[in-house]
Amino acid sequence: DSGVTQTPKHLITATGQRVTLRCSPRSGDLSVYWYQQSLDQGLQFLIQYYNGEERAKGNILERFSAQQFPDLHSELNLSSLELGDSALYFCASSVATGVTEAFFGQGTRLTVV
Amino acid sequence: QKEVEQDPGPLSVPEGAIVSLNCTYSNSAFQYFMWYRQYSRKGPELLMYTYSSGNKEDGRFTAQVDKSSKYISLFIRDSQPSDSATYLCAMSASGTGFQKLVFGTGTRLLVSP
Repeated sequence: DSGVTQTPKHLITATGQRVTLRCSPRSGDLSVYWYQQSLDQGLQFLIQYYNGEERAKGNILERFSAQQFPDLHSELNLSSLELGDSALYFCASSVATGVTEAFFGQGTRLTVV
Repeated sequence: QKEVEQDPGPLSVPEGAIVSLNCTYSNSAFQYFMWYRQYSRKGPELLMYTYSSGNKEDGRFTAQVDKSSKYISLFIRDSQPSDSATYLCAMSASGTGFQKLVFGTGTRLLVSP
C-alpha cells in the first residue's frame, strides 16, 4: 500500500456528464500529480499541485480541471465527457516539488458510455 | 516518434527464466532512469532507479543503462509467477522533477509456473 488513496475505484458515466475524482496524498506529502493512463498513450502527466497551488501543467484538456484543498487532498474534475476520456486516472504524491520520486495511488477506472 | 519506446509484449516465460525488458529513447538529456512495476488494477510502484550510465543490482533485479545507445534494460533472474505484471520504464533530464518523467507504454510480462 503506497499510502495514496483514490476514490472511487470505478466510475461509469455517460457522454456529456461531469465527474470528480478524489485523491488523498500520503501523510506529509505536499505535492500531488494527476496522470491519465490509456493503452495506446501510456501514462500522461496532466497537472501538479504543490501545497494548494498549481505548479505544472501537462497534456490536460480544457474540459478538465483540478484543485488541491487546504487539507492537501486533491480533486480532478472532468466535464463534457467523451468516449475517448475512458481511461485509468492516477494520482501520485511526493514530499516536495522538484523531486524525481513519487508514490502512485491505485487509480480510478473511468468508463464513458 | 515517441520519446520513449517500449515493446508492449506480452512476454511469456517459464518460471526460473531470465527476463530482459528494454526501452529505447531519443532525448540525450535524459539522466534519470527508472523502472516501475504495475500489477493489474494497481498503481505503478518504483522498482529500480538509476542515475546516468551503468548497472544497478537489487536482489533478482538488475537495471542497465547504455547512454551511448540510448537503451536501458531491466533483467529479472529466477523469474517467479509473482513477477507477472506490466513493467514501465520512465526517464527524465536532470533537475526537472517528477512531472517531467516520460513513461514508456509498458511491457506485459507473464511468468508461468
